[in-house]
Amino acid sequence: SQELEQSPQSLIVQEGKNLTINCTSSKTLYGLYWYKQKYGEGLIFLMMLQKGGEEKSHEKITAKLDEKKQQSSLHITASQPSHAGIYLCGAALGGDSNYQLIWGAGTKLIIKP
Amino acid sequence: ETGVTQTPRHLVMGMTNKKSLKCEQHLGHNAMYWYKQSAKKPLELMFVYNFKEQTENNSVPSRFSPECPNSSHLFLHLHTLQPEDSALYLCASSQGSGMGISYNEQFFGPGTRLTVL
Repeated sequence: SQELEQSPQSLIVQEGKNLTINCTSSKTLYGLYWYKQKYGEGLIFLMMLQKGGEEKSHEKITAKLDEKKQQSSLHITASQPSHAGIYLCGAALGGDSNYQLIWGAGTKLIIKP
Repeated sequence: ETGVTQTPRHLVMGMTNKKSLKCEQHLGHNAMYWYKQSAKKPLELMFVYNFKEQTENNSVPSRFSPECPNSSHLFLHLHTLQPEDSALYLCASSQGSGMGISYNEQFFGPGTRLTVL
């Protein structure tokens, strides 16, 4: 199994509906990133969370970090076609000079008009 | 140009060819990264350069050879690749930490779509 699991792998949502994507780690999280990728293109930074319980919002996207669960969730409110794409979480695992930077396999989001 | 640029955007090569991928960042960052992205697989970190020094090499085969002549430029030299090396190769940069991988936000280039025949 992967060290950073994203769920679901893909999601089809009616425009205007809310949705949640999860990213769960098998190890302690020392920092978690959310990025968005359009097919075949580079990654666009959404937000970074570092402290347990931290929550950040940007426009209609909110991300939270649950340190105890070693999990982060990304919530989109009133989804729009512009939200379609692949959402990737990346995390720094371990501590001090021994940490790894790993990524989830991504969640493909399709918005139905 | 702003941000992180990569050239070429698409590359088709035979298994006996030698080619190079180029990455350039205009953000004043000190850390640069090469990633491999294959279909339905997690992003794989290949190499990290921090202040022009290679700090990570995640068991990447020797047919991939990185070069970082200065903090703004990063190359990936390719030699005798295999078909399974076909993937999207992404370059990223961030503020360096002076040691290993930085926690700072990474800025990604658009990638080079590589096909090995």
